[in-house]
Amino acid sequence: TQLLEQSPQFLSIQEGENLTVYCNSSSVFSSLQWYRQEPGEGPVLLVTVVTGGEVKKLKRLTFQFGDARKDSSLHITAAQPGDTGLYLCAGPRKVGANSKLTFGKGITLSVRP
Amino acid sequence: NAGVTQTPKFQVLKTGQSMTLQCAQDMNHNSMYWYRQDPGMGLRLIYYSASEGTTDKGEVPNGYNVSRLNKREFSLRLESAAPSQTSVYFCASSALTGYSNQPQHFGDGTRLSIL
Repeated sequence: TQLLEQSPQFLSIQEGENLTVYCNSSSVFSSLQWYRQEPGEGPVLLVTVVTGGEVKKLKRLTFQFGDARKDSSLHITAAQPGDTGLYLCAGPRKVGANSKLTFGKGITLSVRP
Repeated sequence: NAGVTQTPKFQVLKTGQSMTLQCAQDMNHNSMYWYRQDPGMGLRLIYYSASEGTTDKGEVPNGYNVSRLNKREFSLRLESAAPSQTSVYFCASSALTGYSNQPQHFGDGTRLSIL
């Protein structure tokens, strides 16, 4: 059972289009993180959302945390080829005394020039 | 700023061979992690070290061992490699564990093929 479901799995769009992708769970998370991974590299943190309903903007990327803290969305305005990559959401899960990140399977985005 | 450095970047092994993947971070982070990434499976935690001197199993620890050599270095060992261990391996670090907002900083991965 995947704790974090990401959709769609694959997305191929033309430069300049807008898009929204999703990260959903049946569990409540204290926070969610979004990472972007480019081919041949490791994931890089884009943003952490902490408060239910929170909206954070990073240039053309807008991240929202659901009111119930069970889901998050990423909206990209006027996508550019540089936005191409694998987008991963991740949330902390308490295991014993520690908290570990659990990752979704990711969304592969391709932006065509 | 090196961040998290993994060596080697690529490796091909034969079934039954052993090898150690190396990871070092220069951010003075307390916690370090080893993940594997397979197509359609996402990132899965193999082992982690919450602090120097401690290690714990993650989701998929079978077939692997780890050593937290010091605060900077965390190695992953495959004692007897199997084709099912063909994957891309990522090392990551974070300042602290147990704090849910801590970002993880990743290396660029080791691409391991086992024939």
